[in-house]
Amino acid sequence: AQTVTQSQPEMSVQEAETVTLSCTYDTSESDYYLFWYKQPPSRQMILVIRQEAYKQQNATENRFSVNFQKAAKSFSLKISDSQLGDAAMYFCAYRAGTYKYIFGTGTRLKVLA
Amino acid sequence: GAVVSQHPSWVICKSGTSVKIECRSLDFQATTMFWYRQFPKQSLMLMATSNEGSKATYEQGVEKDKFLINHASLTLSTLTVTSAHPEDSSFYICSARDIGGQPQHFGDGTRLSIL
Repeated sequence: AQTVTQSQPEMSVQEAETVTLSCTYDTSESDYYLFWYKQPPSRQMILVIRQEAYKQQNATENRFSVNFQKAAKSFSLKISDSQLGDAAMYFCAYRAGTYKYIFGTGTRLKVLA
Repeated sequence: GAVVSQHPSWVICKSGTSVKIECRSLDFQATTMFWYRQFPKQSLMLMATSNEGSKATYEQGVEKDKFLINHASLTLSTLTVTSAHPEDSSFYICSARDIGGQPQHFGDGTRLSIL
């Protein structure tokens, strides 16, 4: 069975600094997708970034980038130049052929002014 | 961009009543919709997958007679919590997948409180 693990329940970062959130997963599939979602206090799920497993190049979206290590089954999220608005719960998610998402337990990110 | 509307956003009702939550895709056809449940400070747990015109597929441990799902059209799925009790109080989120498949689009969620 596929699993997604986020080992950091909570992280803090100083405003304008860089922070990395960790995510590991377990799967026997070779073709799948990985996502990072942000959930602010409003509880809305906001897609931050996604990565197709067949692509070797790490995805980047402005200040957000991932370090995708397929062999190690690792998918970390780096947030550069952190802003107060980045404070939220961040969920790592996995999706394979059934289109079902499997979410990690989440990491609460605090941004310190 | 693709928008998923979920209604109501918050509902409070008495124990024993049934509550219906709607999930609509506003600008695309949703071939598949998903219903999640989220307890405070916890992750999203998939409850069921519904495909238009067919019966929903429930995850292990989810009571299908308790949580009725209907996906009668390509733009609407409903989740009905029957004979709700306080332990059903939670945050329920739907998501929808269009024909292209990626990524899923999430609704804003429904906070359900059973007194």
